[in-house]
Amino acid sequence: GQSLEQPSEVTAVEGAIVQINCTYQTSGFYGLSWYQQHDGGAPTFLSYNALDGLEETGRFSSFLSRSDSYGYLLLQELQMKDSASYFCAVRREAGTALIFGKGTTLSVSS
Amino acid sequence: DAGVTQSPTHLIKTRGQQVTLRCSPISGHKSVSWYQQVLGQGPQFIFQYYEKEERGRGNFPDRFSARQFPNYSSELNVNALLLGDSALYLCASSLAVSGTDTQYFGPGTRLTVL
Repeated sequence: GQSLEQPSEVTAVEGAIVQINCTYQTSGFYGLSWYQQHDGGAPTFLSYNALDGLEETGRFSSFLSRSDSYGYLLLQELQMKDSASYFCAVRREAGTALIFGKGTTLSVSS
Repeated sequence: DAGVTQSPTHLIKTRGQQVTLRCSPISGHKSVSWYQQVLGQGPQFIFQYYEKEERGRGNFPDRFSARQFPNYSSELNVNALLLGDSALYLCASSLAVSGTDTQYFGPGTRLTVL
């Protein structure tokens, strides 16, 4: 079967750093993506890792370890607007659809 | 540039009815995928189309069907609606179906089945 595990909820304060972990068990692995979704909104693409290591995009960074079937999303300098659900998603083969985790709800307080 | 558009935004149907949801991909994108998102869960893959051909199908019953048109827009049809079909239906488009092609999501259609 296919499974992606991520924490259901994370809380933090403005200006802090938070890490959202994702472990996966899938038959085949091509890459790990991260999406952000505000209540009632569309999932928005944040980052993609196909190879081991860290990818940085502004305040957000994403890490992948293929040998550990593990990745994380790092959010720095948290802002209130970062309060949202964050999903990791695996692509098992090139060009195939995404398999999503259940999502992590991030609440940022002042 | 316009993003992925979906219509209608909201829809209320009763059990047993049929529904058609529509999606227009980003200009230049040739692949469309459909996902179902139940409240509190991540999106679940339903169908993927590329160049009007079905490229993948998720674990959904035959009541669900889809097609892609020559202009790359797509429709998702659901027959004999059940209460459990109530969900946010998301359409995602990508340039093609290569490994690194990012999927961009539309705002979704919120379907409520009474």
